[in-house]
Amino acid sequence: DAGVTQSPTHLIKTRGQQVTLRCSPKSGHDTVSWYQQALGQGPQFIFQYYEEEERQRGNFPDRFSGHQFPNYSSELNVNALLLGDSALYLCASSFGRGFSPLHFGNGTRLTVT
Amino acid sequence: AQTVTQSQPEMSVQEAETVTLSCTYDTSESNYYLFWYKQPPSRQMILVIRQEAYKQQNATENRFSVNFQKAAKSFSLKISDSQLGDTAMYFCAFMTLNYNTNAGKSTFGDGTTLTVKP
Repeated sequence: DAGVTQSPTHLIKTRGQQVTLRCSPKSGHDTVSWYQQALGQGPQFIFQYYEEEERQRGNFPDRFSGHQFPNYSSELNVNALLLGDSALYLCASSFGRGFSPLHFGNGTRLTVT
Repeated sequence: AQTVTQSQPEMSVQEAETVTLSCTYDTSESNYYLFWYKQPPSRQMILVIRQEAYKQQNATENRFSVNFQKAAKSFSLKISDSQLGDTAMYFCAFMTLNYNTNAGKSTFGDGTTLTVKP
């Protein structure tokens, strides 16, 4: 049973560039949420996708955008990268909406120089 | 504002002993779920235990149990018979719903690093 997979594992980008992170949900899951985890802090909610639409968004600027595909996989795009965007980006999948528990991937470590 | 406070940045416990991790939270919502997640050095966040806010009975999952005090907005985690594999960062979180979209949003604390010593 495949869990949540994220790619790439690590990424180094330059300030001002754009980046795309990818996530495949756990088998049987149809909802994907993205979280940003800065070093030494807890994850911060970015947004959630269900049925290919953004259903809820956290306090992140429009530079952060996403997409969900018909196979439930998802992408997180960040434009005009800032040094402060350096973090671990976690994808979490769940089944349906509501209070479903989250299943996390191993994350993508993004470093912006 | 919705917040989670974990007042113990680091804790340690001897193998086979019992340890309690503290968590307080603040939300104006009346319907929510509470969670404890474990994040080992491998980075993957794993669900440890969850509690529905409407249930008075404290959740138990093998060696893990919680003490949920709704009025005090407190949700502590007790680990009994600690094992070396319990060494990890532990995050307390609560989930609320956007009632327009039924989408869940989790708010996390900054974690407690637990070290189990042999």
